[in-house]
Amino acid sequence: GQNIDQPTEMTATEGAIVQINCTYQTSGFNGLFWYQQHAGEAPTFLSYNVLDGLEEKGRFSSFLSRSKGYSYLLLKELQMKDSASYLCAVEDGDYKLSFGAGTTVTVRA
Amino acid sequence: ETGVTQTPRHLVMGMTNKKSLKCEQHLGHNAMYWYKQSAKKPLELMFVYNFKEQTENNSVPSRFSPECPNSSHLFLHLHTLQPEDSALYLCASSQDKGRGGETQYFGPGTRLLVL
Repeated sequence: GQNIDQPTEMTATEGAIVQINCTYQTSGFNGLFWYQQHAGEAPTFLSYNVLDGLEEKGRFSSFLSRSKGYSYLLLKELQMKDSASYLCAVEDGDYKLSFGAGTTVTVRA
Repeated sequence: ETGVTQTPRHLVMGMTNKKSLKCEQHLGHNAMYWYKQSAKKPLELMFVYNFKEQTENNSVPSRFSPECPNSSHLFLHLHTLQPEDSALYLCASSQDKGRGGETQYFGPGTRLLVL
């Protein structure tokens, strides 16, 4: 099966920056997604990368290196509402999405 | 609101019960999915439907039975479940299946507890 690794938990202070890393090994690659999931709610789409490089969307940026099987999600100017689980998901050669276990980010005042 | 609704939001059932989970998407999508989310574990894909046809069954036990009467509705029929089936069951939809980069939109899930 596919192998997707991300840290279990991260803690940061309001206003700070946090970087969530994701490494993957999949058979084929059709892109990498990041989702945000607040406790008890639906995962919501944050970003999609299929080419190497950085995609910026406001306070959130996502980076991809296909040769290294590596991505990160960068959260800047952290706010309390950013406390959530962040899911890394890779679309393989069969267009099937495989998820990591998620990184729980806690933002402290 | 993601445009995908699920009912019920919470369900408690005994091992001999039969119940059904319902998912409805209002996005005009053609593909629908069932996922299982257990604590501290990755989302597990269970079933995929594309244009009402099942295209994937990810080795799911037969006590879970999906039904897709049309592209907007998806059901998961449950019978003789086990306590280890307790989890959050998420439904998702996407415009199509089989094209790269299709974003999946998730419902809020049904929190299932099997006693």
